[in-house]
Amino acid sequence: GDSVTQMEGPVTLSEEAFLTINCTYTATGYPSLFWYVQYPGEGLQLLLKATKADDKGSNKGFEATYRKETTSFHLEKGSVQVSDSAVYFCALKSGANSKLTFGKGITLSVRP
Amino acid sequence: DVKVTQSSRYLVKRTGEKVFLECVQDMDHENMFWYRQDPGLGLRLIYFSYDVKMKEKGDIPEGYSVSREKKERFSLILESASTNQTSMYLCASSTRQGLNEKLFFGSGTQLSVL
Repeated sequence: GDSVTQMEGPVTLSEEAFLTINCTYTATGYPSLFWYVQYPGEGLQLLLKATKADDKGSNKGFEATYRKETTSFHLEKGSVQVSDSAVYFCALKSGANSKLTFGKGITLSVRP
Repeated sequence: DVKVTQSSRYLVKRTGEKVFLECVQDMDHENMFWYRQDPGLGLRLIYFSYDVKMKEKGDIPEGYSVSREKKERFSLILESASTNQTSMYLCASSTRQGLNEKLFFGSGTQLSVL
């Protein structure tokens, strides 16, 4: 079945550091890939998405590229801010009628 | 602005009680979902609904039931609460967009069963 694997956390970085959060997936067919973010005390919200191979999703300075050859969708940001402290979830959807499958999430803390 | 509202932010119940968690969305979305979120386990789907009076089991439906009598409201019911149901419960909704489906989440209900 479909699955999403995220790197183990938590991750702690200093402000302006470079961020990479790894995500790999297993799916049938050609899934759509998503990153959701959960800020403290809030529900999840969509950060970015990519629907086909080599697509790059981007939002708020974050980027992720759909790599079919490595079945990966790593999240990157060139310079993190304290306000980026949150839990980040990678997710996939492998069919029009299928459900979203989430990874376990990773907590990012950015210190001033 | 899009909104998914969960009736309680924090809830404390006793073992064996019947518990109702309510969720309302104001976006006329067809799809609604209930997840639970636990440290180290991420989000796990309990139940979902694609239309009024329709429901389908997710990955962990045992000990739960749902009700969708109106399009905007999706209720999660714990028939007899147990301590292992202590968790953060998240409701979400979406339109039928196929592979581009975007979920809108509520802020969650932290349920403690004592």
